[in-house]
Parts: sequence; structure tokens; C-alpha cells
Amino acid sequence: DTGVSQNPRHKITKRGQNVTFRCDPISEHNRLYWYRQTLGQGPEFLTYFQNEAQLEKSRLLSDRFSAERPKGSFSTLEIQRTEQGDSAMYLCASSTGQGEMDTQYFGPGTRLTVL
Amino acid sequence: AQSVAQPEDQVNVAEGNPLTVKCTYSVSGNPYLFWYVQYPNRGLQFLLKYITGDNLVKGSYGFEAEFNKSQTSFHLKKPSALVSDSALYFCAMNSGYSTLTFGKGTMLLVSP
Repeated sequence: DTGVSQNPRHKITKRGQNVTFRCDPISEHNRLYWYRQTLGQGPEFLTYFQNEAQLEKSRLLSDRFSAERPKGSFSTLEIQRTEQGDSAMYLCASSTGQGEMDTQYFGPGTRLTVL
Repeated sequence: AQSVAQPEDQVNVAEGNPLTVKCTYSVSGNPYLFWYVQYPNRGLQFLLKYITGDNLVKGSYGFEAEFNKSQTSFHLKKPSALVSDSALYFCAMNSGYSTLTFGKGTMLLVSP
């Protein structure tokens, strides 16, 4: 069990550019989640996958955001035409998929800074 | 709507003293409650969770939490604080939507 990994750990970009983050879940975890955390706040849910199916998206996930999980393994989160308000820590988590009592295990996060 | 509140932005305690980090929740059904800890530039680490049964839940690193349904609380406790416990603590709830709702976090500072 190597834990959830995320790449890159840090990303600095200029407003208007596109960025893509990658998350590798714990092997054999069926569920994968994306959260966003801003300074002084707890993480806020963005979206989650059960295997390759994207089952829920938050209203926070604007049209500029897209997430994929091809083949039910790793996931990518892309932000198009970044805005300064997108600056945050993006956290990925995974769980076994047994239900609401599942423990979600988090990766180290990707810190995005939009200049 | 479901929500989680952590009424204290910061808790200060001396090493060796007991600590309590407070959490209250609001939900229409039965909650599943979690505590996570976050160290600087790190992701969230799972400490413990309440699903059902015994109201006192024991977790990692000597932490425990007490579920109180009548007070809708799930306070995190430790009998003897360590300087290394200093970190940001988050209470979270899953009430049946498969996603976690987090509180704003409480910074715990343990002084030597």
C-alpha cells in the first residue's frame, strides 16, 4: 500500500492557461474523489468516480473543470482558462467503495497558484 | 442542509495536558463522522471514525472521540498532548451522499 499520490505537487501558471493534475489512488480502490481546499477552509467536494464512471459533480465544478478516470485507475483533473480564483490546494482521495462509511484516504495534494 | 461546525479556530494546550477539539454537526439522518489531521504541506491523514455502536471511538496516535447524539457533537480528545500533535484538525461527516462535508478546521498548538 503506497498511498494516494498526486502530481505535480505544485503548479504555478498564468491566468488563461490550462492545467492538468494527476491522481493515482491506492490500488484496488474503486472510488476516487477530488476536493478543493482554500486557505482557512476545509476541503470542498468537487467530484467522484466509481471505477471509470463519474457519479457526482459539485456545483463548484464549473464548465472549465473536467475530470476523467479512464480504465478506472488514475484520474486527471483539468482546468481550462484558469482564473486567479482557481488558486487552491486540489486534493485527491480514494476508498474501497463499500459505501458511506468508507474511509477516504487522501493524497498530498497539488497546490495551484494562478498569477 | 447538512453541515459541520468547529467552533474554535485555535486550541492551545500545554504538553502533557489533556486536549479537546470540538465538533458539532447538523444532519437529518444518521451521520458517519470522521476526524482527519493535516500537517503543513501535507494531505489529510485519517485519525478515526464513528459508524455505529460504542460512542467512544479510539483512533491513531492515542486520539479518541466521543459521539453524543443528543448534543450532535463528536469531540476529539487525547489524555496527554504532545508537541508533535500540533497541526490542523478537521472534523468531517458523510450522511449518505458518498462525499465528505468538512468543518473549517481547528489549529491545535501544543506548547512545551
